[in-house]
Amino acid sequence: AQSVTQLDSQVPVFEEAPVELRCNYSSSVSVYLFWYVQYPNQGLQLLLKYLSGSTLVKGINGFEAEFNKSQTSFHLRKPSVHISDTAEYFCAVSRGSNYKLTFGKGTLLTVNP
Amino acid sequence: NAGVMQNPRHLVRRRGQEARLRCSPMKGHSHVYWYRQLPEEGLKFMVYLQKENIIDESGMPKERFSAEFPKEGPSILRIQQVVRGDSAAYFCASSPSAGGADTQYFGPGTRLTVL
Repeated sequence: AQSVTQLDSQVPVFEEAPVELRCNYSSSVSVYLFWYVQYPNQGLQLLLKYLSGSTLVKGINGFEAEFNKSQTSFHLRKPSVHISDTAEYFCAVSRGSNYKLTFGKGTLLTVNP
Repeated sequence: NAGVMQNPRHLVRRRGQEARLRCSPMKGHSHVYWYRQLPEEGLKFMVYLQKENIIDESGMPKERFSAEFPKEGPSILRIQQVVRGDSAAYFCASSPSAGGADTQYFGPGTRLTVL
């Protein structure tokens, strides 16, 4: 069975600072990796996904993530955050042809002025 | 192009009542998934449906929960005789095809509160 660990439940940062949200997964086979963002009282919106190819994936709103197979990680980064990036971020994994997404518990990013 | 729609957005029920949650997938999507988000937890898969068929209900509690996706109309997640532990956010997602690489598009969720 696969699992996803988001190491930080909360990450407070100041506006314009860089941020990294960590995600590790466990799976013995090839996986597909996703980052979703959930703004307050809204549904989940896809930020980016890794399927294959280049290990650096660029997404919306200036976010990017790097797939590291040896460390089974898929950390999300942004070089300069805005107040509007305040939200909960979820890392998710699926495997092969299996449609089931396994989610981490989420990281609440709070951007302060 | 409208996204995934869910209603109601908020639902309050007393213990023992029934809850019906509705989900209309994105246009052109025939694959629907339901996930539950308990407080302080990530989303957990419940069920996957195609039109008129339940494909995978391995994440659904064995009792009181049921789901359908009729030929016409939205998908329905039904919870009978609700208990306080059913309080959660229920999200529906849809996709044009079903596979690990396919993006699932999520609706805004229904937040169920059981008094």
